Amino acid sequence: NAGVMQNPRHLVRRRGQEARLRCSPMKGHSHVYWYRQLPEEGLKFMVYLQKENIIDESGMPKERFSAEFPKEGPSILRIQQVVRGDSAAYFCASSPLQPPGHAAKNIQYFGAGTRLSVL
Amino acid sequence: KNEVEQSPQNLTAQEEEFITINCSYSVGISALHWLQQHPGGGIVSLFMLSSGKKKHGRLIATINIQEKHSSLHITASHPRDSAVYICAVYGETSGSRLTFGEGTQLTVNP
Repeated sequence: NAGVMQNPRHLVRRRGQEARLRCSPMKGHSHVYWYRQLPEEGLKFMVYLQKENIIDESGMPKERFSAEFPKEGPSILRIQQVVRGDSAAYFCASSPLQPPGHAAKNIQYFGAGTRLSVL
Repeated sequence: KNEVEQSPQNLTAQEEEFITINCSYSVGISALHWLQQHPGGGIVSLFMLSSGKKKHGRLIATINIQEKHSSLHITASHPRDSAVYICAVYGETSGSRLTFGEGTQLTVNP
């Protein structure tokens, strides 16, 4: 049972280029979360998606960042016109669908991360 | 002040020592995660708990909801336990967002 798969593991971009980070959740998981870890800082929530829906994007920067989780294929975090401050580790996590009305939270399983370096 | 505070920030121990890492939070929560981040950067979920105590191998996690406090214990520590341990909470009003502590860097020397 493959875990959460992220690719690429390392991504180098020049300022102004676009970065696309991919995340394939664990089999059977329909919830995806993206987190960012800036150098020497803790993890911060960015966005929570279900298939074809953005549920919570309150942690996403207002400009240049977008995320999607299409019906088919991986979730994509897209950063347009990257700047040096975007250099960070980006982690994806997934969890299974919760039964309707279920109040308890599901454990999240993390991918290995994508380390983005902007030159 | 962060909503989730961990202590200590750094911890160095000798092999076989009993280790405790603490997490305090200031918001109402529905559950709490303990995570391990390896030197290579990957993150592993160790526990999720909302009450009481959970045990897995040499790891034990406890939570006291009234005191807004959780502890992660490692018994008979080993150099391979060296990693960053991160506490994260689901706030009662934050849906499925996790809020993270800054992490505790643990180094276990042989």
